[in-house]
Amino acid sequence: GQQVQQSPASLVLQEGENAELQCNFSSTATRLQWFYQRPGGSLVSLLSNPSGTKHTGRLTSTTVTKERRGSLHISSSQITDSGTYLCAMATGGNNKLTFGQGTVLSVIP
Amino acid sequence: ETAVFQTPNYHVTQVGNEVSFNCKQTLGHDTMYWYKQDSKKLLKIMFSYNNKQLIVNETVPRRFSPQSSDKAHLNLRIKSVEPEDSAVYLCASSYGEQYFGPGTRLTVL
Repeated sequence: GQQVQQSPASLVLQEGENAELQCNFSSTATRLQWFYQRPGGSLVSLLSNPSGTKHTGRLTSTTVTKERRGSLHISSSQITDSGTYLCAMATGGNNKLTFGQGTVLSVIP
Repeated sequence: ETAVFQTPNYHVTQVGNEVSFNCKQTLGHDTMYWYKQDSKKLLKIMFSYNNKQLIVNETVPRRFSPQSSDKAHLNLRIKSVEPEDSAVYLCASSYGEQYFGPGTRLTVL
């Protein structure tokens, strides 16, 4: 079946460092969508793009559909960035999402 | 700003009981979804509805059934809950990018 693999599984950064989260998917996706989830919290959509690069604030999402991979770059990390980052690929006419296992980010002072 | 609303936030029940979770979206989207997030935090799609038509049912047990009165509402009913149904149930809506509600945490004793 369709699979989404995220790496690394966990990441510890010092405040101010940059992070690069990877996402690889097994089949053709119409787009990748990145989410942020706080412990015990709801999902917050960060970025969604079918291909190419998209920015918002300190976040940059890059999707290379032909190579079935994507990445999320977080610049100048802050303690409040700590949480789980989920990558999901959308497929089919109904945009069904298949999620990866997530990357748990911890930003320390 | 929350635009996908779910009730209740939490529900504790016993094996064999029936439960029902509500979801409403105010975004005017045509498609709504239910996802299940298990104890390992993996999110999997259960159902999607487009204009009151069921599009996807991903090998979900028959005791689960989605119920929709209009395109802004998609409820989830579980007849005779079992221990493995304990999870967080997340509702989403989309017109392309997906937006999620805060989730309903179900605990089956």
